[in-house]
Amino acid sequence: DTGVSQDPRHKITKRGQNVTFRCDPISEHNRLYWYRQTLGQGPEFLTYFQNEAQLEKSRLLSDRFSAERPKGSFSTLEIQRTEQGDSAMYLCASSFTRDSSGYTFGSGTRLTVV
Amino acid sequence: AQKITQTQPGMFVQEKEAVTLDCTYDTSDPSYGLFWYKQPSSGEMIFLIYQGSYDQQNATEGRYSLNFQKARKSANLVISASQLGDSAMYFCAMREGPGDDKIIFGKGTRLHILP
Repeated sequence: DTGVSQDPRHKITKRGQNVTFRCDPISEHNRLYWYRQTLGQGPEFLTYFQNEAQLEKSRLLSDRFSAERPKGSFSTLEIQRTEQGDSAMYLCASSFTRDSSGYTFGSGTRLTVV
Repeated sequence: AQKITQTQPGMFVQEKEAVTLDCTYDTSDPSYGLFWYKQPSSGEMIFLIYQGSYDQQNATEGRYSLNFQKARKSANLVISASQLGDSAMYFCAMREGPGDDKIIFGKGTRLHILP
């Protein structure tokens, strides 16, 4: 297992288009988290899954955003009708229950909306 | 109100010197965990150190130690003998309570190590 993988690494899209990102967590981790990080800021929590169940969603996650984790393995984050304000780094992380070592993060997907 | 406050946007430190990165937190929950992460220019978040609220001793991991002052709600990161590779963004983070599973992050401190 090589850690948390995110695809794509970079995405440039036109405003109004839909985009989908994928995250493959560490295989034995049952929790998966999505964060958004804008320039010069810390990561902001978006949502998290335990197995296939989505347990919490931030108010930052507007109705244009949807996340899924079918079968409790990989997860997708879709943004519909993208806006310039959606430009950010989208980070995925995974953990095994409430591990005291925190999360293992992926390298992120950098989204640029033009 | 901010849960995690990092008051130093940027710091410059001479190589081989020790450096302290400040972090204060706000919670009314008696059970919580504190984390520090490093984010180099490559973008990946790297876990450094963890301190539980009930831990009696300050956490240490190699050159990293966490100066935990519970009454002051302070969790400063100390890096001993700094190296050029320590140049990065550093984030303090907290997970509250047994019922909350998300980690919330501060705004970070950018550390520059000078040769």
